[in-house]
Amino acid sequence: KNQVEQSPQSLIILEGKNCTLQCNYTVSPFSNLRWYKQDTGRGPVSLTIMTFSENTKSNGRYTATLDADTKQSSLHITASQLSDSASYICVVSGGSSNTGKLIFGQGTTLQVKP
Amino acid sequence: EAGVVQSPRYKIIEKKQPVAFWCNPISGHNTLYWYLQNLGQGPELLIRYENEEAVDDSQLPKDRFSAERLKGVDSTLKIQPAELGDSAVYLCASSRGAGRYEQYFGPGTRLTVT
Repeated sequence: KNQVEQSPQSLIILEGKNCTLQCNYTVSPFSNLRWYKQDTGRGPVSLTIMTFSENTKSNGRYTATLDADTKQSSLHITASQLSDSASYICVVSGGSSNTGKLIFGQGTTLQVKP
Repeated sequence: EAGVVQSPRYKIIEKKQPVAFWCNPISGHNTLYWYLQNLGQGPELLIRYENEEAVDDSQLPKDRFSAERLKGVDSTLKIQPAELGDSAVYLCASSRGAGRYEQYFGPGTRLTVT
């Protein structure tokens, strides 16, 4: 069964600290992996997208890694800000590159406190 | 460039009543998606359109849910009759194509069924 599992379910950190969110998947065949940020009351917004051959991609203070062998990904947030408080969703695209279906994780809720 | 537009943003109805959601995708995006998102969960695909054709509606509860995308642009998702368990956020997303293309999400419609 194609699944995407994220951990932790929720996380509280102090402003300025770093954190790492984890994603494990069992989707096969694999097309790409995406990380989305979803603010409360808003739709998800893409942070990064990585294909099989990419093992790291950065977007500002966000750095995603991918290990396609172990089917694991992480999202590292550096020097957190209050505006980073949101839900972070790991999404894996399975199937062919033309018709890949997105399988969403349940998300990690991050709260950054001053 | 305008993003994905959804309306209404919020809707409260009594059970057994009908309800409809509207989505206007980003101009030029041929693929349109409707997702359901329960609190604390990732989005779940209900239906995907390629232009005006529904190419994946396997997760759409067809006894009470219906969708249309006339002329391959705007789309409407309808529930009739609504049940208490339908309370959720309904997200619309669009992309240039399926698979590897980026999906852009609207703000969602939060439905409360009482």
